[in-house]
Amino acid sequence: NAGVTQTPKFQVLKTGQSMTLQCAQDMNHNSMYWYRQDPGMGLRLIYYSASEGTTDKGEVPNGYNVSRLNKREFSLRLESAAPSQTSVYFCASSDPVSGNTIYFGEGSWLTVV
Amino acid sequence: AQRVTQPEKLLSVFKGAPVELKCNYSYSGSPELFWYVQYSRQRLQLLLRHISRESIKGFTADLNKGETSFHLKKPFAQEEDSAMYYCALTKSGGYQKVTFGTGTKLQVIP
Repeated sequence: NAGVTQTPKFQVLKTGQSMTLQCAQDMNHNSMYWYRQDPGMGLRLIYYSASEGTTDKGEVPNGYNVSRLNKREFSLRLESAAPSQTSVYFCASSDPVSGNTIYFGEGSWLTVV
Repeated sequence: AQRVTQPEKLLSVFKGAPVELKCNYSYSGSPELFWYVQYSRQRLQLLLRHISRESIKGFTADLNKGETSFHLKKPFAQEEDSAMYYCALTKSGGYQKVTFGTGTKLQVIP
């Protein structure tokens, strides 16, 4: 059981480049999330999808777009990367059936130069 | 709006000393509270939930609705407890987003 899988694990981008972080979960969870983790800032929610077909902005959505492709997959896109988007990105999923416990991916380290 | 506050960014304690990681929340309604832990080079994982009322790795946390707190405690710190700890809150029932605090890094000094 893989849980939450996200790719790539490491990426270096130049300012202005675009890229998509992929995420998939195999736990049949309805809710999926994208967080970014920065020193001293903790985990900040970028976007949230309560269920397939819905997405909502979190605390820091600017500069990002998301797609809930199906129940399993939730991608995060940076259209024009900026140095301020250098961070560690975590995909996660949860479901009331699992008591709303959040299950995290291993993280994606993104550096924008 | 729901909010979680962890006032300490870093907490250093000696091995064998008691540990208390503070968490305060603001939420009008019935919350579910969690503690998550991130060990070095590992993914974030659930440590405990308030509704389970269990002790995990010697840690306990009691939900105090009057003080809107959910502090994490352990009577005797171990070196392997060194990690980043996050308090989190969600609304009971249904599909609700989870809000995290800014985290506290626990450093246990040998």
